[in-house]
Order: sequence, then C-alpha cells, then structure tokens
Amino acid sequence: NAGVTQTPKFQVLKTGQSMTLQCAQDMNHNSMYWYRQDPGMGLRLIYYSASEGTTDKGEVPNGYNVSRLNKREFSLRLESAAPSQTSVYFCASRLQGNTIYFGEGSWLTVV
Amino acid sequence: GQQVMQIPQYQHVQEGEDFTTYCNSSTTLSNIQWYKQRPGGHPVFLIQLVKSGEVKKQKRLTFQFGEAKKNSSLHITATQTTDVGTYFCAGSSNTGKLIFGQGTTLQVKP
Repeated sequence: NAGVTQTPKFQVLKTGQSMTLQCAQDMNHNSMYWYRQDPGMGLRLIYYSASEGTTDKGEVPNGYNVSRLNKREFSLRLESAAPSQTSVYFCASRLQGNTIYFGEGSWLTVV
Repeated sequence: GQQVMQIPQYQHVQEGEDFTTYCNSSTTLSNIQWYKQRPGGHPVFLIQLVKSGEVKKQKRLTFQFGEAKKNSSLHITATQTTDVGTYFCAGSSNTGKLIFGQGTTLQVKP
C-alpha cells in the first residue's frame, strides 16, 4: 500500500507565485489534514477535513486554501506565496479517532 | 482554541539515563496520541491513550494519561542512541481536530 502520498517533495517559489500541494491516501480514511512544521514550533494544523465534502480551519489557515476533491484527495493551495510560508508541509489521514498516518513531507522554500 | 503544550523543548541525556516529556492540554481530550519523528523523517505513530488514568508500556517506553484527560507523559527508561528524535503528543477533540504539541527533541550521548 502507498499510504499517504504527497507531491511535490521539494519546491522553490518566488514571492507572489501560486502553487498547489497534492495529497492522496489509499486507506479509505475519512479525515485528512495539512500541517506545517517549523523549527521550534512543532506541527501546526493549517486545515483539516473531517469527512468528504467538509473542510475546517486549523491553527494557522491564513494564506492557504484547501479542497477535499473526493475521499482520497486533499489539496493545499498557496495563492500568493510569502517567505513566511517557507516550511515543511505534511499531509495526513486517519479513520475517526484512530492512528494518523503522515506523508513523507514537502519542503517548500519561498524566496 | 484548543492548545497543547509540551515540555521540555530539548533534552540532552547520557546513554543509559532516563527521559521524560510532558504534555498539557487547555481542554479535556477524547484521546491522546504519541508520535516519534526521526531527523529528516515524518512523524510515526507510537501509541494512543483513551481512558482516564491509563498507563501503557512498550518495552522501555511508558505512557500515561492523566485522570482529568488533560495531561500526559512519555517516560523512556535507560535511553539508547536509537531513541534520538523528536517526540510529539497530539490531543484529539470530539470534532476530529488533532492538535500537536511543540515536540521534545531528544539527543542521546553515547
């Protein structure tokens, strides 16, 4: 099983550019999440989707949008990238109340 | 909103010493999970605690969930170099939101 797959793994953007991080899971999980990880800040929740068709803001949603395209896919979009969005982004999924599975991460640098 | 605080942020120990990280939530949790992240990797699930006062063990690791379901701890007995990494707690509310603590980075000197 692939588990949680996210792309791209590495990306460099110029300030003001837009991009979409893609995430897909093949475990038939209901919930999907996007986190960002910065040194000393741990994992901060950007957006989550408790089930297909719903999305909710997390701790740090500003500057991001999400789409739960179907049960498998949950994308994260940066409309106008800023240097403060330089981070490692993790997509994750889980069945309600159970273990959360993470993708391998996407390293994004905004210059 | 829901907050999960974790201390200490960093811990350096000599191999063989014990290690403990603590996690506190601003709200009562439905469950708490613990994860380990190796340098350059992604967080990997260790365990989930659900019941008030629950204690679970995995070899040298002991996990506790507080009576009020607002705090938790992870204790490692006799650390080894393979224990190096960052340990995260994650608190789950009944809305499905999963909030992580800031993590404790453990360094073990051989």
